[in-house]
Amino acid sequence: KQEVTQIPAALSVPEGENLVLNCSFTDSAIYNLQWFRQDPGKGLTSLLLIQSSQREQTSGRLNASLDKSSGRSTLYIAASQPGDSATYLCALHRNFNKFYFGSGTKLNVKP
Amino acid sequence: NAGVMQNPRHLVRRRGQEARLRCSPMKGHSHVYWYRQLPEEGLKFMVYLQKENIIDESGMPKERFSAEFPKEGPSILRIQQVVRGDSAAYFCASSVGLAGSSYNEQFFGPGTRLTVL
Repeated sequence: KQEVTQIPAALSVPEGENLVLNCSFTDSAIYNLQWFRQDPGKGLTSLLLIQSSQREQTSGRLNASLDKSSGRSTLYIAASQPGDSATYLCALHRNFNKFYFGSGTKLNVKP
Repeated sequence: NAGVMQNPRHLVRRRGQEARLRCSPMKGHSHVYWYRQLPEEGLKFMVYLQKENIIDESGMPKERFSAEFPKEGPSILRIQQVVRGDSAAYFCASSVGLAGSSYNEQFFGPGTRLTVL
């Protein structure tokens, strides 16, 4: 059974800091890994998708890495802004049809 | 191109009533997935459907829950005789085909927040 763990559960940083969110998983047989952002009371917004053959993906101030051998992914956010405040979810695609989600890291960026 | 639509956005039911949650996938998407998110937890897979077929319902509770995706119209998640523990956010996602490749990403709707009194 795939277990997905996200650490820390909550993080509060001052504006402008670079930060790293962590995601670890127990089963390395994955198709891809995806990072989402969830705003309070809202749905999920896809941020980055890393296929199992890739090691990282970048979009703007975001960089996500994948190390299957160690069962880890990180989401790096550069020069954080108050608008980055949200819950960040890591999700693994192991089978064709389902995601395995972590419980998220709740980020607060203080102005 | 409208995204995944879910309605209602908020639903309040009393214990013992039925809840019907609707999901309209993105245009051109024929695969629908339902997830449940309990407070302060991540999303948990419930069921995967294609038009008129249930492909994987391994995450569905054995009783009171059912899902369908008819040939015409939205996908429906139905919860009979709701209990307080059913209170959660229910998210629907859709994809073009089989998820798991860069061309078949799952796109999520805004969710339906069910409150059982």
